[in-house]
Amino acid sequence: DQQVKQNSPSLSVQEGRISILNCDYTNSMFDYFLWYKKYPAEGPTFLISISSIKDKNEDGRFTVFLNKSAKHLSLHIVPSQPGDSAVYFCAASGGSQGNLIFGKGTKLSVKP
Amino acid sequence: ETGVTQTPRHLVMGMTNKKSLKCEQHLGHNAMYWYKQSAKKPLELMFVYSLEERVENNSVPSRFSPECPNSSHLFLHLHTLQPEDSALYLCASSQVGIHEQYFGPGTRLTVT
Repeated sequence: DQQVKQNSPSLSVQEGRISILNCDYTNSMFDYFLWYKKYPAEGPTFLISISSIKDKNEDGRFTVFLNKSAKHLSLHIVPSQPGDSAVYFCAASGGSQGNLIFGKGTKLSVKP
Repeated sequence: ETGVTQTPRHLVMGMTNKKSLKCEQHLGHNAMYWYKQSAKKPLELMFVYSLEERVENNSVPSRFSPECPNSSHLFLHLHTLQPEDSALYLCASSQVGIHEQYFGPGTRLTVT
């Protein structure tokens, strides 16, 4: 049973527009959430994270929103650039250093 | 990114072979992880070492044997693997108490 779900396997966006990647989780014990980006032939790269005590965290073009009541988080990329084309993984953790539970990933394609 | 390195990057082995995957981190971290990524599946945590002690073994078959001789190095010894073990094997490291993990580029393993 998947505890972290990314229901969209792929997303295509025009350059300059907003990309919104979604993630749902089922375990209410999760208290920390992370987004990773992965290019082909490379390992996942940490992008941004958010603690459950916050509902928003922003870093440059990347913003993560957390809706605890809905057990939902999203990653917004504005403006999207062709170099953002990659697979994005959502991960969740519970406890002081709980292990990371990953979603299956969403492949983002940003068209010039 | 050279914080976490993995060798070899690609490996083809027969079911009767014995081989080892190597991971080295240059980030001063004290926790290291092995993950398996199969096609269309989430990253699966295999082993966790914290302060050089194995703290997690996620029901991994005994044909996979980890070794952590010090906080900078992690090995995964492989023997009598099955074709279904073909996957991308990723190593990661972190600081104990910190959620963010940093990944190596992975070893693409093919078992014939």
